[in-house]
Amino acid sequence: SSELTQDPAVSVALGQTVRITCLGDSLRSYYVSWYQQKPGQAPILVIYGKSNRPSGIPDRFSGSTSGNTASLTITGAQAEDEADYYCNSRDSTGDHLIFGGGTKLTVL
Amino acid sequence: QVQLQESGPGLVKPSETLSLTCTVSGGSVNSDDYYWSWIRQPPGKGLEWIGYISYSGNTKYSPSLQNRVTISIDTSRKQFSLSLTSVTAADTAVYYCARDVEYYESGIYSDYFDPWGQGTLVTVPS
Repeated sequence: SSELTQDPAVSVALGQTVRITCLGDSLRSYYVSWYQQKPGQAPILVIYGKSNRPSGIPDRFSGSTSGNTASLTITGAQAEDEADYYCNSRDSTGDHLIFGGGTKLTVL
Repeated sequence: QVQLQESGPGLVKPSETLSLTCTVSGGSVNSDDYYWSWIRQPPGKGLEWIGYISYSGNTKYSPSLQNRVTISIDTSRKQFSLSLTSVTAADTAVYYCARDVEYYESGIYSDYFDPWGQGTLVTVPS
């Protein structure tokens, strides 16, 4: 399969925990990376691999993978976490990169 | 730290060729661990990978665009470029350049994009 599937929208109460998921057959073979994008800005990397955070990304962001499903978890969501989140990986051939359709996170 | 900056025309006429350049500063383009990528995002829509090039000139393109896309690299200038032919209004998007980092973890090679350029809007009128 050459697709990664994300829920279009997810909401979370301030300070609560939210999980954003990404489904795809290629995730059985390749790790996913996660990007946060705020309006009018370029995406930034928040998680890659098993659960690696680039410097500057708060430790409330974590990642996990089980089978064909990858998850981005925000533990104690903050108002500034409201954004679009995209997953990315290689397709099943390994030759091309693909993105999920994105999840709009609303912090209530 | 490495920074990327896109440049090129913001308006391209239908059927013409879209050409953009990405300039890399603060680091080298000469590494086997990096692929230099183009990604686009139509207004209000999601991200689409266009393709990438290695410093040695090896390329991979999205199957949906491969008939119209060429990515090239000039390592001496630390620049890589995108050419997209026969554009239509559907090619209107913010175009980003990004560094694709290939890494090895627990027996698996995978990728992530970091850093990204700020993006440049290219409009193709209908």
